[in-house]
Amino acid sequence: EVQLVESGGGLVQPGGSLRLSCAVSGFTFSSYWMRWVRQSPGKGLEWVANIKPDGSETYYVASVEGRFTVSRDNAKNSLYLQMNSLRAEDTAVYYCTRDSGSLDYWGQGTLVTVSS
Amino acid sequence: EIVLTQSPGTLSLSPGERATLSCRASQSDTNSYLAWYQQKPGQAPRLLIFDASSRANGIPDRFSGSGSGTDFTLTISRLEPEDSAVYYCQQYGSSPRTFGQGTKVEIK
Repeated sequence: EVQLVESGGGLVQPGGSLRLSCAVSGFTFSSYWMRWVRQSPGKGLEWVANIKPDGSETYYVASVEGRFTVSRDNAKNSLYLQMNSLRAEDTAVYYCTRDSGSLDYWGQGTLVTVSS
Repeated sequence: EIVLTQSPGTLSLSPGERATLSCRASQSDTNSYLAWYQQKPGQAPRLLIFDASSRANGIPDRFSGSGSGTDFTLTISRLEPEDSAVYYCQQYGSSPRTFGQGTKVEIK
């Protein structure tokens, strides 16, 4: 059974940092692109970042470029999102997803709240 | 960037009725790389349809996708109460990948 389990969300002040993790099981993690998608409260879905299977290429939405870093550890079947210089507009549920072109598996999400 | 516009914003129908959801792309570069997702309150989205018309694993055959170019449709042939949800389209034929704003389906 494919499982993606996010952790690391929480309340953080503007300008602060958080590191999200996604533990993966049930498929060959090292063979897939992975993607972080977020959803602001009551809003739609937005791609945040994605990473190549070997970690050699990463891409970001313009609004997080230079502040967020996506990485992975294929030996640990884990995906990460380091978020620095957080802003109120980064408040959202962050989902870890498997990227097969379409996003065929999603984690349950972890809530990040940026507020003073 | 391809903008996806979904219509209607909300659809209110009775069980057993047919639901037709539209997703229109601002450009034709999707190459039919178009997916549909279902999201129920408090849950993560779930993939329903990929490549415009292929059903994902375990998805009932009352869900079907069609379309090409810039116009795509998700059809739910006979609504069930559990189909109450928000439905999103997403294109993955062009970077950045983008989502529509969603259509809410309400069951009367």
